[in-house]
Amino acid sequence: EAGVVQSPRYKIIEKKQPVAFWCNPISGHNTLYWYLQNLGQGPELLIRYENEEAVDDSQLPKDRFSAERLKGVDSTLKIQPAELGDSAVYLCASSLGGRADTQYFGPGTRLTVL
Amino acid sequence: GQNIDQPTEMTATEGAIVQINCTYQTSGFNGLFWYQQHAGEAPTFLSYNVLDGLEEKGRFSSFLSRSKGYSYLLLKELQMKDSASYLCAVRGDYKLSFGAGTTVTVRA
Repeated sequence: EAGVVQSPRYKIIEKKQPVAFWCNPISGHNTLYWYLQNLGQGPELLIRYENEEAVDDSQLPKDRFSAERLKGVDSTLKIQPAELGDSAVYLCASSLGGRADTQYFGPGTRLTVL
Repeated sequence: GQNIDQPTEMTATEGAIVQINCTYQTSGFNGLFWYQQHAGEAPTFLSYNVLDGLEEKGRFSSFLSRSKGYSYLLLKELQMKDSASYLCAVRGDYKLSFGAGTTVTVRA
């Protein structure tokens, strides 16, 4: 069974440029998460989707970040414009859903903003 | 909110045992997870505890005491490939909150 797929794996951009990350969750997983992980820290939740609905986006900086999951499968996370402090690893995870379910992570996209 | 504490680093010898402690303070509790993360890779699921006690899975075991807000991950018969960061994560309602991770270095 394929795991969570993310692309690109690495991205280097200059500040003020836009950037987008793509995630394909495990087949059948209705819940999708985007996390941000800074070096030496644990992942921090940005947004959680149940199917195509964003049910928790309280930690998403909405002035520059946006996300979508139009058909309840793939998802895209966008930053526009990027700032130096956005340099981090952006992880996507998926799960079957429910309170006690296990989240499975993709390899992440390492973003460097110059 | 959640406050999760775990040691920053631990070093052990190949073949030895290491115990990684995690303490937490949460506004809700629906389970505690341990993940392993090798440098530059995704976190991978190791264990899940929701009831008090010990869960054993091969060389890895995880313990939970809900009354004490405490868990540990026990790694036995350490191998070089076990060198990684180990993340303790607590699930509140639906949100999973992570500790900063414990970097374990296994020496020959």
